[in-house]
Amino acid sequence: DAGVTQSPTHLIKTRGQQVTLRCSPISGHKSVSWYQQVLGQGPQFIFQYYEKEERGRGNFPDRFSARQFPNYSSELNVNALLLGDSALYLCASSPRTFSNTEAFFGQGTRLTVV
Amino acid sequence: QKEVEQNSGPLSVPEGAIASLNCTYSDRGSQSFFWYRQYSGKSPELIMFIYSNGDKEDGRFTAQLNKASQYVSLLIRDSQPSDSATYLCAPLKSGGSYIPTFGRGTSLIVHP
Repeated sequence: DAGVTQSPTHLIKTRGQQVTLRCSPISGHKSVSWYQQVLGQGPQFIFQYYEKEERGRGNFPDRFSARQFPNYSSELNVNALLLGDSALYLCASSPRTFSNTEAFFGQGTRLTVV
Repeated sequence: QKEVEQNSGPLSVPEGAIASLNCTYSDRGSQSFFWYRQYSGKSPELIMFIYSNGDKEDGRFTAQLNKASQYVSLLIRDSQPSDSATYLCAPLKSGGSYIPTFGRGTSLIVHP
């Protein structure tokens, strides 16, 4: 079975631009979560989607948005990019949102804003 | 107080020794606790999870949980250079949804 796949793997954008990151969860997994990881820090929670509905949102500005599609894949959009948005963006899939499940991470998208 | 606290390290141990990684958390309602390993430039991978007070062993890894003290640890026995990585502690927030909160991680270096 394929793991969690994210695209693109690397991306360079200019300040003020918009970016869309994509994630395909493990087959059968219905929950997708997005995290931002700045160098030297742990992943910070951005969004969780389950069954196409937003189930959680972290402390990020409204420039960040996401959605989940009927096939459970997901997109993360970031508008009006700032230099501080440069980070590794991780997508994690899990079977469901119950408390005793684990999440599996994709390889991440490395975003550089210049 | 941070939600999850880990000593950033680096923790340096000789090959074959026991590495002890510690984590404290603030949410008393946290029920599940995950340890992820992250190699430099790679994504986190799950290595252990624990729900109940006490110890849970899996191969060379042992997770220890003390909910009263809000403390969870990971022991790595017979440490190998390949264990050199950052170890992330992630308690699962109370409330039912799977939203693990990650600490900043502890960097472990196992030297030959």
